[in-house]
Amino acid sequence: AQSVTQLGSHVSVSEGALVLLRCNYSSSVPPYLFWYVQYPNQGLQLLLKYTTGATLVKGINGFEAEFKKSETSFHLTKPSAHMSDAAEYFCAVTPVSSNTGKLIFGQGTTLQVKP
Amino acid sequence: SAVISQKPSRDICQRGTSLTIQCQVDSQVTMMFWYRQQPGQSLTLIATANQGSEATYESGFVIDKFPISRPNLTFSTLTVSNMSPEDSSIYLCSVELGTNQPQHFGDGTRLSIL
Repeated sequence: AQSVTQLGSHVSVSEGALVLLRCNYSSSVPPYLFWYVQYPNQGLQLLLKYTTGATLVKGINGFEAEFKKSETSFHLTKPSAHMSDAAEYFCAVTPVSSNTGKLIFGQGTTLQVKP
Repeated sequence: SAVISQKPSRDICQRGTSLTIQCQVDSQVTMMFWYRQQPGQSLTLIATANQGSEATYESGFVIDKFPISRPNLTFSTLTVSNMSPEDSSIYLCSVELGTNQPQHFGDGTRLSIL
């Protein structure tokens, strides 16, 4: 079955430092890939998505992610962290073959940004 | 995108009771989804609700515990029945605006059972 692994349940960076949140998926056929962010007491907000085409995708708030088929990865990065980036981040996939749109989520990574 | 409104935003309920959560979208959508997010956990899909058909439940979720209605293309409800403390979670609805388009989420309903 399809699964998503986010390495590191907690990541702590200093303000202005690089943010790197890791995501790997398990399937021989690359799925559609998404990153969502959840701020406290809110729902999920889409940061970016990859379906086809350019493997480096840019999202909102300065985030970007690169799809690497050979590594079955879709890591999320941001060059310079802001305090407002502190939140929970979820990587999710939808199998390309799925006709249900079902999202499979990773366990999430809590990003802490220190002043 | 879409504006998705969930009601209530939070509730505290007694065990053995039931609560119905509403999800309203500002545009017509074919597919709506209900997720559960247990404390400190990720999201797990409960069921997919398509208008005009019975909801499709994921493994581990049953209709008797989580009945779902989908009366039209902009509205759905999820009922959490005969609640126990283990049902304390955030329940989120989401919609898919088109085939293979990202899902958009409501703000969730934070449910605590005493």
